[in-house]
Amino acid sequence: EVQLVESGGALVQPGGSLRLSCAASGFTFSTFWIQWVRQAPGKGLEWVAIIKNDGRETHYVDSVKGRFTISRDNAKNSLTLQMNSLRVEDTALYYCVAGVGWRPDYWGQGTLVTVSS
Amino acid sequence: EIVLTQSPGTLSLSPGERASLSCRASQSVGNNYLVWYQQKPGQAPRPLIYGASSRAAGIPDRFSGSGSGTDFTLTISRLEPEDFAVYYCQQYASPPLTFGGGTKVESK
Repeated sequence: EVQLVESGGALVQPGGSLRLSCAASGFTFSTFWIQWVRQAPGKGLEWVAIIKNDGRETHYVDSVKGRFTISRDNAKNSLTLQMNSLRVEDTALYYCVAGVGWRPDYWGQGTLVTVSS
Repeated sequence: EIVLTQSPGTLSLSPGERASLSCRASQSVGNNYLVWYQQKPGQAPRPLIYGASSRAAGIPDRFSGSGSGTDFTLTISRLEPEDFAVYYCQQYASPPLTFGGGTKVESK
């Protein structure tokens, strides 16, 4: 069974940093692209970033470019989203999503990030 | 960036009725790489349809997707009580992999 488990969400002050993790199991992690998608409380879905299966290609939504970094360790079946210079508008539930190419096949249950003073 | 516009914002229907949800793209979605999701409160989105018209594994056949290029439709042929939820479209043809704003299907 495919499982994606996000962790690392917390309450952080504006300007602070946070590292989210996604632990994967039940599939060949090194063959899947991985995305982060977020959802602010009571709002719609927003795509954040994606990383290629071999880690050599990444893409970001404009609002997080230069602040967020997506990376992966295929040996550990893990994915990381390093978030710096956090803003109030980054407050959201962050989902880890795995798929073949850019297709979003499998979703985790999310981890909550709250940016507030 | 491909902007996706979903309409209507809310659809009020009764069980057994047919639902038609629209997703319109600001430019052509390459290879019709469009996915439809269902999301219920407190749950992650559940993929329903890939490639505009292919049902995901385990999805009932009352759900169907159609369209190409810039205009896409999700149809629920006969609404079941468990189908009342929010539905999103997303294009996965070119980054950023944008979402539509969602359509809420509520019980009348």
